[in-house]
Amino acid sequence: DAKTTQPNSMESNEEEPVHLPCNHSTISGTDYIHWYRQLPSQGPEYVIHGLTSNVNNRMASLAIAEDRKSSTLILHRATLRDAAVYYCILRRGPGGTSYGKLTFGQGTILTVHP
Amino acid sequence: ETGVTQTPRHLVMGMTNKKSLKCEQHLGHNAMYWYKQSAKKPLELMFVYSLEERVENNSVPSRFSPECPNSSHLFLHLHTLQPEDSALYLCASSPSTGATNEKLFFGSGTQLSVL
Repeated sequence: DAKTTQPNSMESNEEEPVHLPCNHSTISGTDYIHWYRQLPSQGPEYVIHGLTSNVNNRMASLAIAEDRKSSTLILHRATLRDAAVYYCILRRGPGGTSYGKLTFGQGTILTVHP
Repeated sequence: ETGVTQTPRHLVMGMTNKKSLKCEQHLGHNAMYWYKQSAKKPLELMFVYSLEERVENNSVPSRFSPECPNSSHLFLHLHTLQPEDSALYLCASSPSTGATNEKLFFGSGTQLSVL
């Protein structure tokens, strides 16, 4: 499986933007970049995904580097409810035994201060 | 509310007990998954079902036995578990397996303690 590297933890203040980085230098051309988050005592929750272009939705924005070897999840105004573990995951394209699998790493623990 | 419901939320069992975890999805999805999340470890994929057929078994011990009677229901039958099997067991569903741009919907999990 293609690997991703994220910082173990990050901190932010409420109502400030948060930029969560992810490195994926071994990404292949058909891998989608997915982000999930897991709030305490809950299952993971989908946040956003993209292939090459930057993406926006109501929860966040995803900025993808031109060479696709890194990406950044952007929370425009952090709230206390955004405190969670954020997972950056590569979802493999067709071919090989990892096709379609969602393989979770350790993720980034985001702490939001009031 | 994700549309994926797991019961029970908490379960305590002895090593000689037999119990089952239940998962139900109301999203019309064709794929369902079991994941295991041990303390301070990443989620581990256990089983994948597509249209009630098991398409992946990630070297899971036979004391875990999945069952998918239809595309809306998924069970994980447990017997003769070990204390190290204590973990959060998560069920998920998606429209299909393998589509790289589809998202998974997770339940809240069953927190299992094996004494």
